[in-house]
Amino acid sequence: AQKITQTQPGMFVQEKEAVTLDCTYDTSDQSYGLFWYKQPSSGEMIFLIYQGSYDEQNATEGRYSLNFQKARKSANLVISASQLGDSAMYFCAMRVAGGFKTIFGAGTRLFVKA
Amino acid sequence: GAGVSQSPSNKVTEKGKDVELRCDPISGHTALYWYRQSLGQGLEFLIYFQGNSAPDKSGLPSDRFSAERTGGSVSTLTIQRTQQEDSAVYLCASSLQDRGVLKNTGELFFGEGSRLTVL
Repeated sequence: AQKITQTQPGMFVQEKEAVTLDCTYDTSDQSYGLFWYKQPSSGEMIFLIYQGSYDEQNATEGRYSLNFQKARKSANLVISASQLGDSAMYFCAMRVAGGFKTIFGAGTRLFVKA
Repeated sequence: GAGVSQSPSNKVTEKGKDVELRCDPISGHTALYWYRQSLGQGLEFLIYFQGNSAPDKSGLPSDRFSAERTGGSVSTLTIQRTQQEDSAVYLCASSLQDRGVLKNTGELFFGEGSRLTVL
């Protein structure tokens, strides 16, 4: 069975510093995709970044990068130069090619301090 | 519309009543998901529709929950005989996906959710 684990319920980071949000996953499939979504207090879900299981390079999108370590089954999100607007809930998610169901982790709440 | 539309945005009902939540996905998106999010919690998968295939209902918590998708577009999530523990935000998402190989990112586009309160 597929599973996503986010072990950090809450994280604090100083404005302008970098922060890493942890995500580990479990699947027996070889083809899968990993996603990170942001959910501000307004409740909307915002797609941030994607990593395919066959992608050789780590994904990057602006200040977001994904530290993909396939052998360890981890897909940590790195946010560089944190901003106050980054304060939100962050969810790691996975989709496998066969079933296509996307499952989510429990989330990490990030607090950016001024 | 340009995005995923959900209605109602807020619903307050009495215990034991039935409720229907509606989702209108992005035009052309073949995949449609329903998730439930309790206060401060993660997203609990409920049901997934992909094209004309049989839906994946593995996440529905009880037989009081059902969903249908008509014409491959609009979906309705029905909760019968509501209970207080059904109180949550119900999120709908759609995606452009292909079966077999992951040809695209297939990220989910979410609606703003329907907040259900069962008194």
